[in-house]
Amino acid sequence: DTGVSQNPRHKITKRGQNVTFRCDPISEHNRLYWYRQTLGQGPEFLTYFQNEAQLEKSRLLSDRFSAERPKGSFSTLEIQRTEQGDSAMYLCASSLARQGGEKLFFGSGTQLSVL
Amino acid sequence: GENVEQHPSTLSVQEGDSAVIKCTYSDSASNYFPWYKQELGKRPQLIIDIRSNVGEKKDQRIAVTLNKTAKHFSLHITETQPEDSAVYFCAASRRGTSYGKLTFGQGTILTVHP
Repeated sequence: DTGVSQNPRHKITKRGQNVTFRCDPISEHNRLYWYRQTLGQGPEFLTYFQNEAQLEKSRLLSDRFSAERPKGSFSTLEIQRTEQGDSAMYLCASSLARQGGEKLFFGSGTQLSVL
Repeated sequence: GENVEQHPSTLSVQEGDSAVIKCTYSDSASNYFPWYKQELGKRPQLIIDIRSNVGEKKDQRIAVTLNKTAKHFSLHITETQPEDSAVYFCAASRRGTSYGKLTFGQGTILTVHP
């Protein structure tokens, strides 16, 4: 499968613990996005990278959230001191930036449950 | 910031009927409008997109129309089939930032009855 890969698929953690998710984008894609999706809602933008540079972060991304994309390849999203409100599906997407539009290829997501 | 409203939240049709989903957006600077389909437990997938310099785009049974003046756009699915059953999301983004920085609507659950 040459699509976007996310690990783990599911993560259950206790409130206050730290968690880290990984995303492996499609290899030739230069942009990588993180979105969060809660039940019954559309995905919400969190942050994105062009190559290794993090170009934009949403106000939704509190100081407890950090994302990296070393060497412009895979990316990690870390949540420190998790809260129950962090429970959601975390989706990664990658794309090849082009004029006039951008097709995002999503991964299957990491479902986070904070107890 | 951008706000995208999507209606209806659920839509039930008989196989072979047409389905229409409508979205409105608030930011007049938005100029890229994709539609994503998400089947239960699966990842969102792009099905069609339109840019603001185009009023309509069609791909087989799927079409999207855009009214920039009224700031709304719609997805039309003709000759619906049971495999069209899914959640459909509209989205919008603007030039000046990444087109992939999308604001999504709340989604429409489409059910096509055989």
